[in-house]
Amino acid sequence: DTEVTQTPKHLVMGMTNKKSLKCEQHMGHRAMYWYKQKAKKPPELMFVYSYEKLSINESVPSRFSPECPNSSLLNLHLHALQPEDSALYLCASSQIWPWGSGYEQYFGPGTRLTVT
Amino acid sequence: GQQVMQIPQYQHVQEGEDFTTYCNSSTTLSNIQWYKQRPGGHPVFLIQLVKSGEVKKQKRLTFQFGEAKKNSSLHITATQTTDVGTYFCAGPVNTGNQFYFGTGTSLTVIP
Repeated sequence: DTEVTQTPKHLVMGMTNKKSLKCEQHMGHRAMYWYKQKAKKPPELMFVYSYEKLSINESVPSRFSPECPNSSLLNLHLHALQPEDSALYLCASSQIWPWGSGYEQYFGPGTRLTVT
Repeated sequence: GQQVMQIPQYQHVQEGEDFTTYCNSSTTLSNIQWYKQRPGGHPVFLIQLVKSGEVKKQKRLTFQFGEAKKNSSLHITATQTTDVGTYFCAGPVNTGNQFYFGTGTSLTVIP
């Protein structure tokens, strides 16, 4: 099974809402990532989890709060978002991190988020 | 700012024509990966190059890694409509703790 799943596929939320994005993989990968992708732009790394520990936070605002409950699951909790946070949020995983090791990343289908 | 640039940004080709995208990094990369993202889809890993000057082929796709490990290219021979999508190069920087995608090249194939 080389699949990364993400739920929900689409999410519309108001600026005062609290919501969560979920990501799951069963490939035994020990590194998981959140990316943000705006239209016609490359994915931008937000967070890196390695062995369930937060290893990289790319200066992401605190209204985005990641969580890694176990080696297969990754969540992204959203609170008080702004309209400019509307984007495709991609989860990915790889065998290990850091990337100097050269393992490819497997991406989920993404959650298309709209903040109104 | 963005450290990995790709040209061209957009390319329209007639089906059957060849296509090339070029990737340039401001820093040396320990390895370079290529991903394809179909319209409405997510990035899918194509290949990884590790050695200086390395060339790899996948059917109609040819990938090269520059001698200085700062540039790479993807060449598609005789494009097909299934080749439509955005092609990203990507690689680790800063001792592998960070990972940057290139700016991407969007390929349109006209039947």
